[in-house]
Amino acid sequence: QSALTQPPSVSGSPGQSVTISCTGTSSDVGSYIRVSWYQQPPGTAPKLMIYDVNNRPSGVPDRFSGSKSGNTASLTISGLQAEDEADYYCSSYTSSSNGVIFGGGTKLTVL
Amino acid sequence: EVHLLESGGDLVQPGGSLRLSCAASGFTFSSYAMSWVRQAPGKGLEWVSVIGGGGGPTYYAASVKGRFTISRDNSKNTLYLQMGNLRAEDTAVYYCARGASGGWYFFDYWGQGTLVTVSS
Repeated sequence: QSALTQPPSVSGSPGQSVTISCTGTSSDVGSYIRVSWYQQPPGTAPKLMIYDVNNRPSGVPDRFSGSKSGNTASLTISGLQAEDEADYYCSSYTSSSNGVIFGGGTKLTVL
Repeated sequence: EVHLLESGGDLVQPGGSLRLSCAASGFTFSSYAMSWVRQAPGKGLEWVSVIGGGGGPTYYAASVKGRFTISRDNSKNTLYLQMGNLRAEDTAVYYCARGASGGWYFFDYWGQGTLVTVSS
């Protein structure tokens, strides 16, 4: 099964907002709220930022928000800060394998 | 504090075998599903396998099914991944990750990873 589709890169200036899309199919994103987002700075392990489409774990700033429409989920980061520069990955439960499928990742550059 | 520490990564020849371990601490290990997630050099994340808190059920990605076996020893708070018939495309950093209490399909804690290199 192919990975979820994310744009390879996005960028924004400090203080601006950016949105990263994540497109799947009716076997994953389109049929479940089980969509998550992870942040991975270079050389580090991933960190959970959003789960179940739009929920933030304790400690994640409210500048990070998630949404979903049809087969596409989105992560929006408002009030961009230099520390937000990282790779971002979406993931979803998939009924195809009763497992998890990740997106290809999006590199966020803060200009 | 939750802590996950992987070990066992090594250089192995194609067709060879390797067992990875993940030592867990700071939480009731048997209460959580655990997964392995891998990341090839310079590439994205790929989920590999999951095991329920009590040792079952287990599920695998199609790319490793029949070659890898996930298991756990709750008395030792340790997760394992037995890897067989290894291929060059299995080269990656392997992370163990805890499935959240709200759903095993998202991962609230990750280890730092262990590198597996498959090459002759």
